Amino acid sequence: DARVTQTPRHKVTEMGQEVTMRCQPILGHNTVFWYRQTMMQGLELLAYFRNRAPLDDSGMPKDRFSAEMPDATLATLKIQPSEPRDSAVYFCASGEGQGQSYEQYFGPGTRLTVT
Amino acid sequence: GNSVTQMEGPVTLSEEAFLTINCTYTATGYPSLFWYVQYPGEGLQLLLKATKADDKGSNKGFEATYRKETTSFHLEKGSVQVSDSAVYFCALTAGGTSYGKLTFGQGTILTVHP
Repeated sequence: DARVTQTPRHKVTEMGQEVTMRCQPILGHNTVFWYRQTMMQGLELLAYFRNRAPLDDSGMPKDRFSAEMPDATLATLKIQPSEPRDSAVYFCASGEGQGQSYEQYFGPGTRLTVT
Repeated sequence: GNSVTQMEGPVTLSEEAFLTINCTYTATGYPSLFWYVQYPGEGLQLLLKATKADDKGSNKGFEATYRKETTSFHLEKGSVQVSDSAVYFCALTAGGTSYGKLTFGQGTILTVHP
């Protein structure tokens, strides 16, 4: 049963520290998404990639967040420096399909707490 | 731009009650519509989808019909179980060059009591 995996599942860090979250998309999926979920804002799309190329990162604070896909099996989301307001659950999702038939498959998330 | 509006929650029901969660959307063109479910501590899972007008998506006893005339995609289940307690998200994708980018509603928390 193919799944999206994310590491770490939980991260507690102090303000100012660098945080790196990793995602392994489902093999063969060519689109990868990063979301952030908070009680106040709900689900927000941060960035997404197709065939490893960034398509849209307008949802990310550019000064501190960066997203990359070093290869087809790994996507990373980095925050440097982290701030308490970055505390949230970060989800990665991967997808395949064409036109109207797209489906996204979500990972279990990384729960980040910045103190 | 595209947007999705869900009925405000939370929704609390007794086991075997009938469930409706309303969802309306605004989109250009002909979007595909989805319902995702999020169980506590987990990521979102696709529950059902519909890709064109009058399509009915169904899964695990849940149903939703794509109504273009009312721009709606309401989720229904005839008899809910305690295990259905979760957060439900309505979403759309506009296709084309969006490559599956989803626009989500705010989510509706459902709690089912025995």
